[in-house]
Amino acid sequence: NAGVMQNPRHLVRRRGQEARLRCSPMKGHSHVYWYRQLPEEGLKFMVYLQKENIIDESGMPKERFSAEFPKEGPSILRIQQVVRGDSAAYFCASSPSQGEDGYTFGSGTRLTVV
Amino acid sequence: QKEVEQNSGPLSVPEGAIASLNCTYSDRGSQSFFWYRQYSGKSPELIMSIYSNGDKEDGRFTAQLNKASQYVSLLIRDSQPSDSATYLCAVRRGSQGNLIFGKGTKLSVKP
Repeated sequence: NAGVMQNPRHLVRRRGQEARLRCSPMKGHSHVYWYRQLPEEGLKFMVYLQKENIIDESGMPKERFSAEFPKEGPSILRIQQVVRGDSAAYFCASSPSQGEDGYTFGSGTRLTVV
Repeated sequence: QKEVEQNSGPLSVPEGAIASLNCTYSDRGSQSFFWYRQYSGKSPELIMSIYSNGDKEDGRFTAQLNKASQYVSLLIRDSQPSDSATYLCAVRRGSQGNLIFGKGTKLSVKP
């Protein structure tokens, strides 16, 4: 079981570029969650997706950020026109159901905007 | 009031002592509670879950839940230097909500 796979591990973008973060959930998991962690801060919920559906995007900034989880392939978190304040660790987690289970996290993508 | 609150620490304990980590939450409808450990530069790792009032033990770890006081804690017995990490408390809103995390408590176990 390969676990939750995220890539890239590190991503450097210049201000104004687009950042694309990928997440493949654990085998058998159909629920994907994206969290952002700023230095010395806790994990902030961004979005919850199932295949082809956004279930809860209440934590997503209204502009520049979008997420998808297509029928085939990984979940994608897209940040357009990145700014320095977007620099953070972005973690993806997955679970088999939206029930009592905790989430399994991927190793994260550390985004640096220069 | 923040949804999930933890003392940021750092909490420093000597090797072999009991480390006590505390967490309070604001939503009385919360059903499930989790403790994650996060080493510096790494991803969070689930170490304990608890759903009912009382204690739940797993090896050197004991989670305690008091829903009336909206309080959950984690005890680490016989603390080891390898336990030095940030411990994140997470609470699920209702029965279907997402996990909401506290900012974490940084634990340092001194040899």
